[in-house]
Amino acid sequence: QKEVEQDPGPLSVPEGAIVSLNCTYSNSAFQYFMWYRQYSRKGPELLMYTYSSGNKEDGRFTAQVDKSSKYISLFIRDSQPSDSATYLCAMSAQSNYQLIWGAGTKLIIKP
Amino acid sequence: EAQVTQNPRYLITVTGKKLTVTCSQNMNHEYMSWYRQDPGLGLRQIYYSMNVEVTDKGDVPEGYKVSRKEKRNFPLILESPSPNQTSLYFCASSFRQGASGYTFGSGTRLTVV
Repeated sequence: QKEVEQDPGPLSVPEGAIVSLNCTYSNSAFQYFMWYRQYSRKGPELLMYTYSSGNKEDGRFTAQVDKSSKYISLFIRDSQPSDSATYLCAMSAQSNYQLIWGAGTKLIIKP
Repeated sequence: EAQVTQNPRYLITVTGKKLTVTCSQNMNHEYMSWYRQDPGLGLRQIYYSMNVEVTDKGDVPEGYKVSRKEKRNFPLILESPSPNQTSLYFCASSFRQGASGYTFGSGTRLTVV
């Protein structure tokens, strides 16, 4: 079993829909959670960063952590075709520890 | 512009022919890392470097070498490439390892025939 599981998709939704992307993990020591976005033929870029449990909001994006369930989510409101990308979760137990990556979920927003 | 520059972007080579993929960053980052990305497997770390002359193995180091003689450069060397090293490679840099936000290069797509 992988330490971090992420559904590869693709997840296809119509423009304007609310998107929910998720990762589950097995290591209860993880405290730092990140979401990276990767456009086709580009490297990943940091989108959201959350420490421990709770929610964090940035514009149309909300990152949510549920440590009791070992589950993290990224919500995208009012999705746009420009949100079409692969979304990777990453996490670590300490702020200076190696990141453990999910395999990424490919998201397609249909106009 | 703050960036990580990888070269080449695309490379087709034959089995056993030594090659080097270059990586350079202009942000004065201490931490640099190489990943390979394969479908269904996500990002797997090959090697990383905490600072000049300090390198260490990641999860999949076999068949690769690195060096860190200068802070800005972190080349990836395949001394005898094999077809199972066909992959998409990314270099990343950051002020430190972990939850500090990595800056990635645009990737090198390598095909070994």
